[in-house]
Amino acid sequence: QLQLQESGPGLVKPSETLSLTCTVAGGSVTSRSYYWGWIRQPPGKGLEWIGSMYYSGSTYYNPSLKSRVAISVDTSKNQFSLKVNSVTAADTAVYYCVRGEGSSSGKTDYWGQGTLVTVSS
Amino acid sequence: DIQMTQSPSSLSASVGDRVTITCRASQSISNYLNWYQQKPGKAPKVLIYDASSLQSGVPSRFSGSGSGTDFTLTISSLQPEDFATYYCQQTHTIPTFGQGTKVEIK
Repeated sequence: QLQLQESGPGLVKPSETLSLTCTVAGGSVTSRSYYWGWIRQPPGKGLEWIGSMYYSGSTYYNPSLKSRVAISVDTSKNQFSLKVNSVTAADTAVYYCVRGEGSSSGKTDYWGQGTLVTVSS
Repeated sequence: DIQMTQSPSSLSASVGDRVTITCRASQSISNYLNWYQQKPGKAPKVLIYDASSLQSGVPSRFSGSGSGTDFTLTISSLQPEDFATYYCQQTHTIPTFGQGTKVEIK
């Protein structure tokens, strides 16, 4: 059974960089059948797609965040990571790491439990 | 971006009711439409993919239909565990979600 677990600071200061890591168990980030990505949810609000990457190295980002976001993978640790630069209070959210189908539906079929990141001084 | 608009934003229903939620895309997305259920404090889980395919393990009272720009999620007989928020997601381009529909107890 695939499991995803987010880790990283729960509090980030404005203008700094938010960094999160997702550890994958029961599967491999090198699988060519899937994408690995991040979705966030501000408190009490809806879901926002941040971006995704494939083992081929291709990455796809939400245009509204593209200039501040980077997703990378560490195959040696079976992890992938998210960085968001120049954060503001609007970046306060629960951040989910996810796996999805790399073709056909693109459905997001596995989610981490989510981690709350608060941007505040 | 493709905008996804769900309606209603919330609804109240009773156990046993038939519930329908709609999702409209700002442009054609073929059948690249997925539905998710989210309960408070939990991650969403996929219910329907490719507009009408039932995800493994999901009860058959859930069904989806539609193509192009208009889609529907139907719960044929609402059960107590179905009270939750439902989101549609398009994956025709960079994914986007609808704003959600909260299903509450009447």
